[in-house]
Amino acid sequence: EAGVTQFPSHSVIEKGQTVTLRCDPISGHDNLYWYRRVMGKEIKFLLHFVKESKQDESGMPNNRFLAERTGGTYSTLKVQPAELEDSGVYFCASSQDQRGKVDFGPGTRLTVT
Amino acid sequence: AQSVTQPDIHITVSEGASLELRCNYSYGATPYLFWYVQSPGQGLQLLLKYFSGDTLVQGIKGFEAEFKRSQSSFNLRKPSVHWSDAAEYFCAVGDPSGTYKYIFGTGTRLKVLA
Repeated sequence: EAGVTQFPSHSVIEKGQTVTLRCDPISGHDNLYWYRRVMGKEIKFLLHFVKESKQDESGMPNNRFLAERTGGTYSTLKVQPAELEDSGVYFCASSQDQRGKVDFGPGTRLTVT
Repeated sequence: AQSVTQPDIHITVSEGASLELRCNYSYGATPYLFWYVQSPGQGLQLLLKYFSGDTLVQGIKGFEAEFKRSQSSFNLRKPSVHWSDAAEYFCAVGDPSGTYKYIFGTGTRLKVLA
């Protein structure tokens, strides 16, 4: 069984540009989560999808961030326009239900210069 | 405010030595407690979790953790460290209602000396 996959593994962009991160959850997992770790800080929750619906997006930092999960399968997280403070590692995770095992992806390292 | 504190940013131990990584939390009630590990290039892997019951929890790779309610702590231990344990370790708490909106600590990076 394939795990949670994320693409790209690393992205370097200039301030003001747009970047789209992709997450493919484990097949059959209705719950999908995005987290972010800014350098040296804790990993912070961004949002939670149940199928294609946003269940909780309380952790999204501002309206420059847009997450989608069309069809309830893969998810994208777009940052537009990117700012320096957006640099960090973005983790995606998925689970079959909200009390079960959560599987994390390897993360996408975003560097904004 | 809800928070998780991992006071040790870096820890270095010799292979074969014992290990204890500290974790303290601040939460309104007893949360669900987790330890994750991230090796280079890998995702976060669950080592163990505590929901209720026995306060000494056994996990994978020979790790264990003890929940101490009076100290709001959930320290991770291993009696004999292997070189492959070098990684970053994260303590996290979760809401007992079942959502996985975790609150993570800042992580402890473990270095193992041969």
